[in-house]
Amino acid sequence: SQQGEEDPQALSIQEGENATMNCSYKTSINNLQWYRQNSGRGLVHLILIRSNEREKHSGRLRVTLDTSKKSSSLLITASRAADTASYFCATVGSGGYQKVTFGTGTKLQVIP
Amino acid sequence: SQTIHQWPATLVQPVGSPLSLECTVEGTSNPNLYWYRQAAGRGLQLLFYSVGIGQISSEVPQNLSASRPQDRQFILSSKKLLLSDSGFYLCAWSSSHYGYTFGSGTRLTVV
Repeated sequence: SQQGEEDPQALSIQEGENATMNCSYKTSINNLQWYRQNSGRGLVHLILIRSNEREKHSGRLRVTLDTSKKSSSLLITASRAADTASYFCATVGSGGYQKVTFGTGTKLQVIP
Repeated sequence: SQTIHQWPATLVQPVGSPLSLECTVEGTSNPNLYWYRQAAGRGLQLLFYSVGIGQISSEVPQNLSASRPQDRQFILSSKKLLLSDSGFYLCAWSSSHYGYTFGSGTRLTVV
């Protein structure tokens, strides 16, 4: 069953604005990852945050993780038209085989 | 550096025909390999994963099978395609440090 659920399903913003996407999950995790997918293409790994981390930055990306609430957020600052894509969170379970479960994604449109 | 190759990029096949999608990885040894399917506008569904040569685990009963004949080669197959097999198929390998690296995907349309 799907564990990661992104919110909102779709987001439309003006270029230069910040975009925030949220991800909720249900069981304990080893780490949580965010991916980007341009239409009709494979997924590109953006950032990985481990269960013992609370915040991570990579360029214009900021990811937070709240394990008590089982939620994560991805913030894209100063958005650009090229950021238009679908964004997925993926949770990696703890334990032997670290099963990865992807959410259904947030479709972001950045209007120039 | 590690790279992953997946082909073909698009494929149109008639119902009942066989399928073979291939994925190869370079620059790493003994990778964990995965096949995912993505229906239109949906998230990714894990179909198969492999932790080594000849070791295949199936996540969902399917009209599909997978094989790993070599360390860095992962093949997705079907003997007879169904209309419901249409979708976007993605191969991936994983590392504990860098998450998943995906291939560019195969758009399969069964007609």
